[in-house]
Amino acid sequence: NAGVMQNPRHLVRRRGQEARLRCSPMKGHSHVYWYRQLPEEGLKFMVYLQKENIIDESGMPKERFSAEFPKEGPSILRIQQVVRGDSAAYFCASSPPGGDTQYFGPGTRLTVL
Amino acid sequence: DQQVKQNSPSLSVQEGRISILNCDYTNSMFDYFLWYKKYPAEGPTFLISISSIKDKNEDGRFTVFLNKSAKHLSLHIVPSQPGDSAVYFCAAIDAGGTSYGKLTFGQGTILTVHP
Repeated sequence: NAGVMQNPRHLVRRRGQEARLRCSPMKGHSHVYWYRQLPEEGLKFMVYLQKENIIDESGMPKERFSAEFPKEGPSILRIQQVVRGDSAAYFCASSPPGGDTQYFGPGTRLTVL
Repeated sequence: DQQVKQNSPSLSVQEGRISILNCDYTNSMFDYFLWYKKYPAEGPTFLISISSIKDKNEDGRFTVFLNKSAKHLSLHIVPSQPGDSAVYFCAAIDAGGTSYGKLTFGQGTILTVHP
């Protein structure tokens, strides 16, 4: 049973470019969460999605950030016009319906030059 | 507003001894708590959890204690092993939140277990 998959593991972008981060949840998990870890800080919640629905996006920056979890395919976290402050590790987690425990992927480390 | 706090940035323990990691929280609506372990360049790995209706949960070498009145929980690892050296995060879920499932994390404690 494969765990949560994230790709790419490392992503380098120049300021102003777009970053797309992908997350495939564990088999049987329909809930996906995205977290961000800035250098020297803990993980901060960004968004909670179920298939085709955004349940809670209270942690998402108001501009440039969006997330989706389509009926088919992985969840996507999209960052438009990246800035240096977006450099961080972005983690995806998944849980089954009704489950309390979230299982994390290995993360995508975004570096903005 | 840091609702989950791990006040010790680091902890150093001798192999075979007990490691005690502490976590305090301020939100009385938190009703489920989890501990994660994280190695550099990897995602957090789930260790153990506890519901607010319990005061103790044990799994092998790991035991989590919850003191609701003090809004405090702790993770005990005994005996500690060098492979336990990692960053440990405490996390909590808010039962009254807009979306049940959002984890609020502490800042983490770096545990080093010396051979």
